[in-house]
Amino acid sequence: AQSVTQLDSQVPVFEEAPVELRCNYSSSVSVYLFWYVQYPNQGLQLLLKYLSGSTLVKGINGFEAEFNKSQTSFHLRKPSVHISDTAEYFCAVYLYSSASKIIFGSGTRLSIRP
Amino acid sequence: NAGVTQTPKFRVLKTGQSMTLLCAQDMNHEYMYWYRQDPGMGLRLIHYSVGEGTTAKGEVPDGYNVSRLKKQNFLLGLESAAPSQTSVYFCASTYALAGGPDTQYFGPGTRLTVL
Repeated sequence: AQSVTQLDSQVPVFEEAPVELRCNYSSSVSVYLFWYVQYPNQGLQLLLKYLSGSTLVKGINGFEAEFNKSQTSFHLRKPSVHISDTAEYFCAVYLYSSASKIIFGSGTRLSIRP
Repeated sequence: NAGVTQTPKFRVLKTGQSMTLLCAQDMNHEYMYWYRQDPGMGLRLIHYSVGEGTTAKGEVPDGYNVSRLKKQNFLLGLESAAPSQTSVYFCASTYALAGGPDTQYFGPGTRLTVL
């Protein structure tokens, strides 16, 4: 069965500092992974996704994530954050079945301090 | 192109009342989903649909019903609301791809409070 774990519920960082949001997954089949972002009072939007190919995936707003099969991780990184990155970030794994269902992690709230 | 829209944006119900949430998408997507979002629990799938006239249960379907009479609309119903259904509800849709999952597009959410 597929599942995803986000160990950090909140991550505070100073503006212009680097950040890493951690995501670990479990799956017994081929893995498709996603990061979604939810800005305050909005719906979710796709940040980036890994389906196959290069393990380093670049997304919008300067974010990137690296798929690490041996460590079953898909951590999200940004070298320098801005106030506008304040949001909740969700890691998700494809539920290998029909209907393109995905399972979401519990989310990590990123707060940026000036 | 409005994407995915949800009505209403906010609603307050009393225990036992009923209501219907409407989701509409204009991207000709086959698949549609209803999620609920609760603090510390991420998004959990309530029901989903793989096409017009079809629906299926997700992870937390109890207390909810759905219908997909038209391809562009997906309705979520609460027949007898309970305080445990206080949550933010999101609708999403996506294309049906043979090789794997495509991006899900989300609506802005409906904040429901049941007193």
